[in-house]
Amino acid sequence: DTAVSQTPKYLVTQMGNDKSIKCEQNLGHDTMYWYKQDSKKFLKIMFSYNNKELIINETVPNRFSPKSPDKAHLNLHINSLELGDSAVYFCASSQAGLSQHFGDGTRLSIL
Amino acid sequence: GESVGLHLPTLSVQEGDNSIINCAYSNSASDYFIWYKQESGKGPQFIIDIRSNMDKRQGQRVTVLLNKTVKHLSLQIAATQPGDSAVYFCAENPLGSGNTGKLIFGQGTTLQVKP
Repeated sequence: DTAVSQTPKYLVTQMGNDKSIKCEQNLGHDTMYWYKQDSKKFLKIMFSYNNKELIINETVPNRFSPKSPDKAHLNLHINSLELGDSAVYFCASSQAGLSQHFGDGTRLSIL
Repeated sequence: GESVGLHLPTLSVQEGDNSIINCAYSNSASDYFIWYKQESGKGPQFIIDIRSNMDKRQGQRVTVLLNKTVKHLSLQIAATQPGDSAVYFCAENPLGSGNTGKLIFGQGTTLQVKP
């Protein structure tokens, strides 16, 4: 009964490829997020959706495109992957913007 | 600018001792703060939160203190156990975020518990 689940857990791919990461939450929350954690453990918000509407869009390259088909799902598609995209990507969810619950991350490695 | 920072990158304590992890924030108008624990290979896990209208909040073995005068946040862990070993992050809900849930995270303090 995982609350926030992400797939895949590991993603190894070549530079220039396009890949997607999926996220689902079963907590009934109205808001979902994508974060990026770099090699120094710094965690930075990328996007946030509330009831399928984009509400936070930080300075992220256009190659990153989130999609929320319903409020329980938030996917992240990345085009033309670059070496600098290597990181751990976390999905999170919350109700009314508080106490965000995180998934266990997707470790993206670009060769 | 917006930033949340921690005073020490690594804290090493003896099992059974109390731990204090510190955090300094820069946005004096922030009204909500959270502490997260991140174990190796896992996502951040919520520990405790506090609103700016409070200066102290207690949970099970944890206490968060907020000093708005000096923009300082601390997490106290009583009787530290090996299972407390992790990276701890403070996070701040900056001014103007409303209910978007935007959080600014600090860089993390690694807590090492010696048996």
